[in-house]
Amino acid sequence: NAGVTQTPKFQVLKTGQSMTLQCAQDMNHNSMYWYRQDPGMGLRLIYYSASEGTTDKGEVPNGYNVSRLNKREFSLRLESAAPSQTSVYFCASSPRANQPQHFGDGTRLSIL
Amino acid sequence: GQQVMQIPQYQHVQEGEDFTTYCNSSTTLSNIQWYKQRPGGHPVFLIQLVKSGEVKKQKRLTFQFGEAKKNSSLHITATQTTDVGTYFCAGPGGGGSNYKLTFGKGTLLTVNP
Repeated sequence: NAGVTQTPKFQVLKTGQSMTLQCAQDMNHNSMYWYRQDPGMGLRLIYYSASEGTTDKGEVPNGYNVSRLNKREFSLRLESAAPSQTSVYFCASSPRANQPQHFGDGTRLSIL
Repeated sequence: GQQVMQIPQYQHVQEGEDFTTYCNSSTTLSNIQWYKQRPGGHPVFLIQLVKSGEVKKQKRLTFQFGEAKKNSSLHITATQTTDVGTYFCAGPGGGGSNYKLTFGKGTLLTVNP
C-alpha cells in the first residue's frame, strides 16, 4: 500500500525551464493538495482539489498550474521556473476536504 | 483571513524534560489537527480534536482543544530523542474556503541526549 507517491524525488532545473511534478494516491481519496515548504515558512498551500473535476488556488498559486487528471492523480506544473520556486514540494490527499491529510515523501526542487 | 499561529518557533530540551507547543487561531475551528515532521521527512498526521475542551493522549503526548475552539496545545512528557522534529497544528478554513487546512508555521523540537 503505497499511499501518496510523488515523482521525481529530486530535480535541478535552469531558470525558464518547465517541469511537471507528479502525484498519485491509491487510497480512493477525494481531496488532493500541493504545498511548498521553505525554511521558517511552514507549509504553504499552492493549489488544491476538493474533489475530482475541481481545482482552486491556495495561498501561493502564482507561477504554477495544476491538473486533476482523475481521482488518483494531481499534477503540478511550473511553466517557466524561477529561482524563487526552489523549495520542497509536498503532495497530500485526504478522504474529504478538511479531514486528516496523508503526505507524499516530497520533491526537492532546485532552480539555478 | 484566518491565521493559525504557533509558539514557540523553536524549543531545545534535555532528554527527559517536558515540552509544550501552543496553537492559536484567529477564528473558531470545527476541528484541529496535529502533525509531526521528522528532519528530512514529510508531515505525518498525529491526531484530530473536534470537541470543545477535548483532551486526548497518545502515550507520552497529550493534546488539548480549548473551550472556545480557538486554541490547542501539545504536551510531551519526558522527551526522548525520537521526539525530535517539527510539530504543526492545522485548522480548516482560511482564504475564504472551508475546503482546505491552514497550517501553523510549526515548532521545531530538538532534544539533547
